[in-house]
Amino acid sequence: GQQVMQIPQYQHVQEGEDFTTYCNSSTTLSNIQWYKQRPGGHPVFLIQLVKSGEVKKQKRLTFQFGEAKKNSSLHITATQTTDVGTYFCAEGGYKLSFGAGTTVTVRA
Amino acid sequence: GAGVSQSPSNKVTEKGKDVELRCDPISGHTALYWYRQSLGQGLEFLIYFQGNSAPDKSGLPSDRFSAERTGGSVSTLTIQRTQQEDSAVYLCASSVLRGEGKAFFGQGTRLTVV
Repeated sequence: GQQVMQIPQYQHVQEGEDFTTYCNSSTTLSNIQWYKQRPGGHPVFLIQLVKSGEVKKQKRLTFQFGEAKKNSSLHITATQTTDVGTYFCAEGGYKLSFGAGTTVTVRA
Repeated sequence: GAGVSQSPSNKVTEKGKDVELRCDPISGHTALYWYRQSLGQGLEFLIYFQGNSAPDKSGLPSDRFSAERTGGSVSTLTIQRTQQEDSAVYLCASSVLRGEGKAFFGQGTRLTVV
């Protein structure tokens, strides 16, 4: 089946800085979902993107779906310690197939 | 219930024993997923149920693993003759629509095989 690849695997960020994590596929995606898993917790849904070129914002988080629907990105501005966790993208359409995740740590 | 419920939350078992993990999805959700997450790793797909359709078992790692979903609601994941490599957190999730709607995860069952 299709696989989504996430980069980077780890992101170490200074508090207050911005960063971006990416999700890529070799084939066209029906939709892409993003989840956040806090340390010791379970994945929690953040957003779903369906349309080509779609951009959605949630406070300091900006999600984008590529024009070809083969990639997606999550950009976080002014990182805070509450942003710590692992961010997963997941390919929807038939069943949810998750990428390996980007684990974010924040230096205060 | 208000969310996806999994039981037990923790399970320690001896190698070779069978275990049953239970998932109670959100009422009305037709899609149900089981994933396995080893320490510090991603979500490994195990099995997927959608309504009354035949489940997608393509992620089950061996024939020691099986799952059923009774009445389109509660699901049980069974691992027979457990091995140490089965130790992981087993997560269940449900959604209204297959792959299209957001999935709600349970808290997981942490399985430790000793």
